[in-house]
Amino acid sequence: DQQVKQNSPSLSVQEGRISILNCDYTNSMFDYFLWYKKYPAEGPTFLISISSIKDKNEDGRFTVFLNKSAKHLSLHIVPSQPGDSAVYFCAASASSNTGKLIFGQGTTLQVKP
Amino acid sequence: GAGVSQTPSNKVTEKGKYVELRCDPISGHTALYWYRQSLGQGPEFLIYFQGTGAADDSGLPNDRFFAVRPEGSVSTLKIQRTERGDSAVYLCASSRYRDMNTEAFFGQGTRLTVV
Repeated sequence: DQQVKQNSPSLSVQEGRISILNCDYTNSMFDYFLWYKKYPAEGPTFLISISSIKDKNEDGRFTVFLNKSAKHLSLHIVPSQPGDSAVYFCAASASSNTGKLIFGQGTTLQVKP
Repeated sequence: GAGVSQTPSNKVTEKGKYVELRCDPISGHTALYWYRQSLGQGPEFLIYFQGTGAADDSGLPNDRFFAVRPEGSVSTLKIQRTERGDSAVYLCASSRYRDMNTEAFFGQGTRLTVV
Protein backbone atom coordinates (compact mmCIF):
# COMPACT_ATOMS: atom_id res chain seq x y z
CA ASP A 1 0.00 0.00 0.00
CA GLN A 2 1.26 3.41 -0.95
CA GLN A 3 1.27 5.45 2.27
CA VAL A 4 2.57 8.57 0.55
CA LYS A 5 1.17 9.46 -2.85
CA GLN A 6 2.05 12.03 -5.43
CA ASN A 7 -0.71 11.67 -7.96
CA SER A 8 0.74 13.97 -10.61
CA PRO A 9 3.69 12.34 -12.37
CA SER A 10 4.60 15.58 -14.12
CA LEU A 11 4.01 19.32 -14.09
CA SER A 12 5.00 22.00 -16.57
CA VAL A 13 4.99 25.71 -15.73
CA GLN A 14 6.29 28.91 -17.25
CA GLU A 15 9.29 30.66 -15.75
CA GLY A 16 8.21 33.25 -13.19
CA ARG A 17 4.92 31.52 -12.43
CA ILE A 18 3.99 29.50 -9.37
CA SER A 19 4.62 25.75 -9.23
CA ILE A 20 2.39 23.74 -6.90
CA LEU A 21 3.30 20.15 -6.16
CA ASN A 22 0.89 18.02 -4.17
CA CYS A 23 1.25 15.06 -1.84
CA ASP A 24 -1.26 12.95 0.08
CA TYR A 25 -0.63 10.50 2.90
CA THR A 26 -2.70 7.87 4.61
CA ASN A 27 -0.86 7.05 7.85
CA SER A 28 -2.03 9.28 10.69
CA MET A 29 1.14 8.41 12.64
CA PHE A 30 3.23 10.52 10.26
CA ASP A 31 4.21 13.74 12.00
CA TYR A 32 7.09 15.08 9.95
CA PHE A 33 7.17 15.76 6.25
CA LEU A 34 10.00 16.58 3.90
CA TRP A 35 10.49 17.52 0.28
CA TYR A 36 13.50 16.35 -1.66
CA LYS A 37 14.65 17.45 -5.09
CA LYS A 38 16.49 15.17 -7.49
CA TYR A 39 18.45 15.91 -10.64
CA PRO A 40 19.33 13.11 -13.08
CA ALA A 41 22.29 10.95 -12.01
CA GLU A 42 22.41 12.62 -8.61
CA GLY A 43 21.07 11.64 -5.21
CA PRO A 44 18.06 13.42 -3.73
CA THR A 45 18.82 16.67 -1.91
CA PHE A 46 16.82 17.98 1.01
CA LEU A 47 14.71 21.02 0.18
CA ILE A 48 12.33 21.89 3.01
CA SER A 49 10.43 20.20 5.82
CA ILE A 50 7.49 20.74 8.13
CA SER A 51 6.45 19.35 11.48
CA SER A 52 2.84 18.39 12.11
CA ILE A 53 2.56 21.10 14.77
CA LYS A 54 2.78 23.69 11.99
CA ASP A 55 0.68 24.30 8.93
CA LYS A 56 3.19 26.34 6.95
CA ASN A 57 6.95 26.61 6.58
CA GLU A 58 8.70 29.02 4.28
CA ASP A 59 12.27 29.17 2.99
CA GLY A 60 12.93 31.72 0.31
CA ARG A 61 11.00 30.81 -2.82
CA PHE A 62 9.80 27.55 -1.30
CA THR A 63 6.79 27.16 0.98
CA VAL A 64 5.29 23.95 2.26
CA PHE A 65 1.69 23.83 3.47
CA LEU A 66 0.28 21.05 5.62
CA ASN A 67 -3.41 20.23 6.01
CA LYS A 68 -3.54 17.51 8.65
CA SER A 69 -7.28 16.97 8.51
CA ALA A 70 -7.07 16.28 4.80
CA LYS A 71 -3.73 14.43 5.13
CA HIS A 72 -2.40 16.63 2.37
CA LEU A 73 0.65 18.75 1.86
CA SER A 74 1.84 20.91 -0.97
CA LEU A 75 5.03 22.60 -2.06
CA HIS A 76 4.81 26.04 -3.63
CA ILE A 77 7.69 27.48 -5.63
CA VAL A 78 7.40 31.18 -6.41
CA PRO A 79 8.71 32.39 -8.77
CA SER A 80 9.65 29.23 -10.65
CA GLN A 81 13.03 29.19 -12.38
CA PRO A 82 14.38 26.88 -15.12
CA GLY A 83 16.92 25.53 -12.61
CA ASP A 84 14.03 24.21 -10.54
CA SER A 85 13.36 21.60 -13.23
CA ALA A 86 13.86 18.30 -11.43
CA VAL A 87 11.98 15.43 -9.81
CA TYR A 88 10.42 16.36 -6.47
CA PHE A 89 9.75 13.74 -3.81
CA CYS A 90 7.51 14.12 -0.84
CA ALA A 91 8.49 12.02 2.21
CA ALA A 92 7.05 11.37 5.65
CA SER A 93 8.19 9.93 8.95
CA ALA A 94 6.73 9.05 12.33
CA SER A 95 8.36 10.20 15.57
CA SER A 96 8.47 6.58 16.68
CA ASN A 97 11.00 5.84 13.94
CA THR A 98 12.69 8.94 12.61
CA GLY A 99 15.30 6.89 10.79
CA LYS A 100 12.81 5.69 8.23
CA LEU A 101 11.32 7.90 5.54
CA ILE A 102 8.42 6.85 3.34
CA PHE A 103 8.65 8.49 -0.07
CA GLY A 104 6.07 9.29 -2.70
CA GLN A 105 6.56 8.35 -6.34
CA GLY A 106 7.80 11.77 -7.34
CA THR A 107 6.63 14.58 -9.61
CA THR A 108 8.76 15.75 -12.51
CA LEU A 109 8.67 19.53 -12.73
CA GLN A 110 9.63 21.30 -15.93
CA VAL A 111 9.99 25.06 -15.84
CA LYS A 112 10.01 26.54 -19.32
CA PRO A 113 11.96 29.72 -20.05
CA GLY B 1 35.16 15.12 -1.23
CA ALA B 2 32.90 15.99 1.66
CA GLY B 3 29.79 14.21 0.42
CA VAL B 4 28.47 10.65 0.62
CA SER B 5 30.37 8.47 -1.82
CA GLN B 6 28.98 5.31 -3.39
CA THR B 7 30.91 2.80 -5.44
CA PRO B 8 30.60 1.56 -8.05
CA SER B 9 28.38 4.08 -9.79
CA ASN B 10 27.18 1.39 -12.17
CA LYS B 11 27.17 -2.37 -11.84
CA VAL B 12 25.99 -4.91 -14.38
CA THR B 13 25.81 -8.49 -13.18
CA GLU B 14 24.37 -11.77 -14.34
CA LYS B 15 21.35 -13.31 -12.69
CA GLY B 16 22.41 -15.53 -9.82
CA LYS B 17 25.66 -13.70 -9.06
CA TYR B 18 26.69 -12.02 -5.80
CA VAL B 19 27.25 -8.25 -5.62
CA GLU B 20 28.53 -5.80 -3.05
CA LEU B 21 27.71 -2.11 -3.04
CA ARG B 22 29.79 0.27 -0.96
CA CYS B 23 28.89 3.49 0.82
CA ASP B 24 31.30 5.97 2.40
CA PRO B 25 29.31 8.37 4.59
CA ILE B 26 30.20 11.91 5.52
CA SER B 27 32.89 11.91 8.20
CA GLY B 28 31.40 12.13 11.67
CA HIS B 29 27.93 11.03 10.64
CA THR B 30 26.79 8.29 12.98
CA ALA B 31 23.65 7.26 11.09
CA LEU B 32 23.68 5.59 7.70
CA TYR B 33 20.72 4.62 5.55
CA TRP B 34 20.16 2.45 2.49
CA TYR B 35 17.29 3.02 0.07
CA ARG B 36 16.40 1.48 -3.28
CA GLN B 37 14.77 3.34 -6.13
CA SER B 38 13.11 1.46 -8.95
CA LEU B 39 12.22 3.14 -12.23
CA GLY B 40 9.33 5.57 -11.83
CA GLN B 41 9.16 5.12 -8.07
CA GLY B 42 10.37 7.00 -5.05
CA PRO B 43 13.17 5.72 -2.84
CA GLU B 44 12.17 2.70 -0.77
CA PHE B 45 13.66 2.21 2.69
CA LEU B 46 15.87 -0.85 3.19
CA ILE B 47 17.89 -0.50 6.40
CA TYR B 48 19.54 2.03 8.64
CA PHE B 49 22.47 1.89 11.02
CA GLN B 50 23.23 3.80 14.15
CA GLY B 51 26.95 3.29 14.61
CA THR B 52 27.79 -0.33 13.87
CA GLY B 53 24.39 -1.80 14.60
CA ALA B 54 21.37 -2.08 12.34
CA ALA B 55 18.67 -0.04 14.08
CA ASP B 56 15.95 -1.03 11.62
CA ASP B 57 16.29 -3.61 8.85
CA SER B 58 12.57 -4.00 8.23
CA GLY B 59 12.89 -2.84 4.62
CA LEU B 60 15.23 -5.59 3.44
CA PRO B 61 13.06 -7.53 0.97
CA ASN B 62 14.34 -11.02 1.79
CA ASP B 63 17.30 -12.93 3.17
CA ARG B 64 19.29 -12.47 -0.04
CA PHE B 65 19.95 -8.91 1.12
CA PHE B 66 22.36 -8.14 3.92
CA ALA B 67 24.20 -5.01 5.02
CA VAL B 68 27.09 -4.40 7.38
CA ARG B 69 28.88 -1.45 8.91
CA PRO B 70 31.62 -3.09 10.97
CA GLU B 71 33.49 0.01 12.12
CA GLY B 72 30.64 2.47 12.19
CA SER B 73 31.73 4.25 9.04
CA VAL B 74 31.78 2.52 5.63
CA SER B 75 28.84 0.26 4.89
CA THR B 76 28.44 -2.54 2.38
CA LEU B 77 25.13 -3.77 1.00
CA LYS B 78 25.40 -7.38 -0.11
CA ILE B 79 23.00 -9.13 -2.46
CA GLN B 80 23.21 -12.87 -3.00
CA ARG B 81 21.79 -14.81 -5.95
CA THR B 82 20.75 -11.63 -7.73
CA GLU B 83 17.47 -11.57 -9.64
CA ARG B 84 16.35 -9.31 -12.48
CA GLY B 85 13.88 -7.68 -10.08
CA ASP B 86 16.81 -6.44 -8.00
CA SER B 87 17.70 -4.00 -10.78
CA ALA B 88 17.38 -0.49 -9.34
CA VAL B 89 19.38 2.48 -8.12
CA TYR B 90 20.65 1.81 -4.61
CA LEU B 91 20.96 5.01 -2.60
CA CYS B 92 22.93 5.57 0.57
CA ALA B 93 22.49 8.52 2.93
CA SER B 94 24.06 9.64 6.17
CA SER B 95 23.18 12.07 8.93
CA ARG B 96 24.87 13.34 12.06
CA TYR B 97 22.19 11.95 14.31
CA ARG B 98 19.83 8.98 14.05
CA ASP B 99 17.14 11.09 12.53
CA MET B 100 16.37 11.59 8.87
CA ASN B 101 14.26 14.56 9.86
CA THR B 102 17.47 16.44 10.39
CA GLU B 103 19.24 16.99 7.16
CA ALA B 104 20.33 13.69 5.67
CA PHE B 105 22.69 13.69 2.69
CA PHE B 106 22.34 11.19 -0.12
CA GLY B 107 25.04 9.82 -2.35
CA GLN B 108 24.62 9.69 -6.12
CA GLY B 109 23.59 6.04 -5.98
CA THR B 110 24.74 2.78 -7.55
CA ARG B 111 22.76 1.69 -10.58
CA LEU B 112 22.51 -2.09 -10.45
CA THR B 113 21.43 -3.95 -13.57
CA VAL B 114 20.86 -7.69 -13.38
CA VAL B 115 20.81 -9.35 -16.80
